[in-house]
Amino acid sequence: ELKVEQNPLFLSMQEGKNYTIYCNYSTTSDRLYWYRQDPGKSLESLFVLLSNGAVKQEGRLMASLDTKARLSTLHITAAVHDLSATYFCAVGGTSYGKLTFGQGTILTVHP
Amino acid sequence: DGGITQSPKYLFRKEGQNVTLSCEQNLNHDAMYWYRQDPGQGLRLIYYSQIVNDFQKGDIAEGYSVSREKKESFPLTVTSAQKNPTAFYLCASSIPGGPQETQYFGPGTRLLVL
Repeated sequence: ELKVEQNPLFLSMQEGKNYTIYCNYSTTSDRLYWYRQDPGKSLESLFVLLSNGAVKQEGRLMASLDTKARLSTLHITAAVHDLSATYFCAVGGTSYGKLTFGQGTILTVHP
Repeated sequence: DGGITQSPKYLFRKEGQNVTLSCEQNLNHDAMYWYRQDPGQGLRLIYYSQIVNDFQKGDIAEGYSVSREKKESFPLTVTSAQKNPTAFYLCASSIPGGPQETQYFGPGTRLLVL
């Protein structure tokens, strides 16, 4: 059974600081996704990582994938208040299209 | 505009009642999914369908049923057998086997038990 664990689950940051969210998964997969969810809202796709060593960047967010370590990271650079949200990683399993989600990381950025 | 719509936004269920949540997409996606989200938790897969007239159970299918008679529609029925239905329900769709297979999510339905 595929298990996905994120840490930390809660992250309180000051504006301008850097931090990393980690996503570990238990079995081999070649598809990893990062989503953002604002309170009471749906999920917004941020990144899709499809191969070992893949790195993608959008604004202050950068995601990477190490399939050998079964680890993905979401790095936040110079955080701003607008990045406050819950971030989920999700891993593709052997069944076509089926995703297993992590618990989510609640990020709060303070002035 | 292409997208996924879910209705209603809020739904109240009485004890012993079956309720149906609607999910419609005009993205021409073959695959559709239903997830449940409980407060402070990640998403758990209820059912998914990769093609019309075919669907599979996810991790928490007990107490739920679905149908897939049209490509655009994938309604979810929460039956009276689901003893703890209060949650946020999200529908998603994707192109199976597509370059990225990203799942796109609808706005969600919040179900509350009276």
